[in-house]
Parts: sequence; structure tokens; C-alpha cells
Amino acid sequence: DIQMTQSPSTLSASVGDRVTITCRASQSISSWLAWYQQKPGKAPKLLIYKASSLEDGVPSRFSGSGSGTEFTLTISSLQPDDFATYYCQQYNSYPWTFGQGTKVEIK
Amino acid sequence: EAQLVETGGGLIQPGGSLRLSCAASGFTVSINYMSWVRQAPGKGLEWVSVLYSDGTTHYADSVKGRFTISRDNSKNTLFLQMSSLRAEDTAVYYCARGAVASAGQFHYWGQGTLVTVSS
Repeated sequence: DIQMTQSPSTLSASVGDRVTITCRASQSISSWLAWYQQKPGKAPKLLIYKASSLEDGVPSRFSGSGSGTEFTLTISSLQPDDFATYYCQQYNSYPWTFGQGTKVEIK
Repeated sequence: EAQLVETGGGLIQPGGSLRLSCAASGFTVSINYMSWVRQAPGKGLEWVSVLYSDGTTHYADSVKGRFTISRDNSKNTLFLQMSSLRAEDTAVYYCARGAVASAGQFHYWGQGTLVTVSS
């Protein structure tokens, strides 16, 4: 199975900060990577797919980059609505696997 | 707009069986790629199973042989039949719709249904 490792696990930041979350795959997954945002008690929401494609309706402050084994999710200017947990997910091969999550907290 | 509504969760004893349903609207389940994803309380996301439009299925090793994904085209509904349930199957179960270009991109999610396996 492909292991997905996110860092950091928790991130404390302020409104307006630039935030970067890293996701590493245990083997190459090309660009078959998605990023999701999840708020407490809610279903995950797709933000980025194919490593860098922005989902319709998602603010442009969110961006994704990377390929192979190293990926990043960047929030250019953190907004109050962005405090949540973020997950990466590979869908290069079965079983599709998620990272353990990164919780973005208010500093 | 696409909508997914899961039902069927509840409290079940270890070793028991349960069937989850995911009613879809705004699109046709039979021509889309549909998955189940679960989340144990306070934990991360775990993909469970996928059903392709051609009927092909795949499962996580943790549920293989115990869970079966299926659909009813006439009801536009996805199912997850769960048997030999264990305490570690306790989770919120979400159904999700994959993209036409790539089944593993989950563009739409239901609100989830909680399954609790406990005596």
C-alpha cells in the first residue's frame, strides 16, 4: 500500500498568513493526488485534484503543486473560514489512501 | 446539482450485519464511479470500496470478504452490505462520487451515516 504522510500534523496560524502543508507519498503517484478540507461534523470537501487543479467554486487562495512523491497545498492568505483539517489522498493505485490530516488552528 | 444522502447506520453488535444506502439525485449512479469512505471517531479518512459503471469493484483489505458494494439502478441508489462487523468498523460512512476522468477524485460527498459496532 502507498503510505501518505502529511506535515505538520497541527499548524497554528493567523488570519492573513501564508500556509503550506506538505504531503509525501511512499512511492511515486505521478500527479494522482487530491486535497480535501474538512470541518467538524461535516463531510470532506474537494479543494484540489490532479495535484494542482482547482475544484470549481474553491477560492483562488488555495493552490496545489508537486508530482511524484512530494506535494504541497498552499493557502496564500488564511481566512477565518479556512480553519479546518486538511487531508491529502492518492488515487494512483489501490487501495486509495489518505494522509493522517493537518489541523489548521487559530494562533 | 448532485446530492447524496446516506441512511442505514445505527448500533449493531459485533458479528452482525448492516446495509447502508446512498440515495443519489441530480445524476445517474449507474454511469458514475461511486465509492464508500469511512472515518472512525476522531480519526482520519479511510477509503473502503469503489464500484465502477461497468460493475468492477475494489475493496480495502480491511473489509475484503466482509463488505459488498452494489447499486440499484431503478432506485438510483448505492449500497454497502456489511457483515461480520467488528468494533474497528465503527465509523461515519460517507458515499462519494468520483470524477468521470478519474474515479478516485471525490467531487461530491454525502453527509455520512454513523455505524457503531458494540455489545
